[in-house]
Parts: sequence; C-alpha cells; structure tokens
Amino acid sequence: GAVVSQHPSWVICKSGTSVKIECRSLDFQATTMFWYRQFPKQSLMLMATSNEGSKATYEQGVEKDKFLINHASLTLSTLTVTSAHPEDSSFYICSAEAWLAGGETQYFGPGTRLLVL
Amino acid sequence: DQQVKQNSPSLSVQEGRISILNCDYTNSMFDYFLWYKKYPAEGPTFLISISSIKDKNEDGRFTVFLNKSAKHLSLHIVPSQPGDSAVYFCAASAGNTGKLIFGQGTTLQVKP
Repeated sequence: GAVVSQHPSWVICKSGTSVKIECRSLDFQATTMFWYRQFPKQSLMLMATSNEGSKATYEQGVEKDKFLINHASLTLSTLTVTSAHPEDSSFYICSAEAWLAGGETQYFGPGTRLLVL
Repeated sequence: DQQVKQNSPSLSVQEGRISILNCDYTNSMFDYFLWYKKYPAEGPTFLISISSIKDKNEDGRFTVFLNKSAKHLSLHIVPSQPGDSAVYFCAASAGNTGKLIFGQGTTLQVKP
C-alpha cells in the first residue's frame, strides 16, 4: 500500500515562532499533496492543495502568508506555520494522491499535533 | 455550507452484527466517494471508495452503496468486530481536482 509519513508527530512552541511540518510519500511519487487541519471533535478541513513545482492553491479563508507550503519534490511537501499563535494549535494532516488498483485515492500521513503556548 | 453530512455522530453495535454508517451529500458534481477510518491523534486510513458510475463496491467485510438519486451513500461492515471501533469519515470529490470534502464523522463502537 501507499505510505505517507509526517515529521514531527508533535511539536510545542512559543507564540511568535515558526514551525515546519514535513510530509513524505515513502513508496510512491505524488505530484499532488493536500494539507488539512482538524480541531477536536470536528471534521478534517482542507487548507491547501500542494502541487510539485508550482504554487500551492489555498482554500478560502486560509492565509497563504501564514501557512507557507513548498512542494519541492515528488515525495516531499512542507507546511510552515509562520509566527504561530495559540489559535494555530491544531492537528495538521497531509495526504498524497496515489493511483492504486485502478483508482485515485488519497493516503494520509499520521498527523502532527501542534501546540502553541 | 456542509456539502457532505454524516447525521449520526455515533453508532453502537454488537460484535458480529452489521454496522451501517450513512452519509448524505448535496453537491451533484461529486463523482467519487471514499470512506476513511480514523483513530484519535492519527491520520485517516483509507477503507473503500466508489465511483459515481457504480452503485456498489465490496472489499472483504466492507461494502459501500451509492444512491445517486438520493445523494446518499452508506458503508456496511459485516461482521462487525471490536477492532472496528473508530471514527468513520465519508469524503467526496468532484472532477479531477482531488480535493476531498469530509463529513463530520461517525463514531462507531462495536461491543464484544
């Protein structure tokens, strides 16, 4: 199956610092990756679509200058939360598109728990 | 505007019985539907998907049914096992965007 990893799995930082989260597809190449965030007991909300070699596409209401996305290779996308504040504390999950068994499916990473103090 | 809805926040079934999780959608442009299983503090795990050209897809204990006219899909798990206890999300996408819209999730508890 398709495996997606995320690093770090959790991070605690002070308000005002920047945090980088990596998303890697381990056994397949992904031209498109997605970033989601999930608040407690709520659904996953799509933040942005990350395309290898081009700018990310952000969903309405998501600040692109605050959530910087870089898709530098076919196996790596990074999300940088700049000048993090307590309201940015959340569970961030990435996914990567893969064509397996004749269908296009998104496979998710394990998520990154961010706590901003 | 909730385009994908899972109206039952929780479901409890006995081990060995059938679990039926429901999902409704409003966007007629959705043409691909997926079910994911999620444990707390982990990423969702893909379970099964269905294209809008089909009305049923089966994989082991999991079967997804799609009723396009009703804009409704359901996930059947037979027989249910305690290890199936988790939050189940349905998701939908339209065209080739790849963007998934998720429902709110249904917490399934399978009792031994």
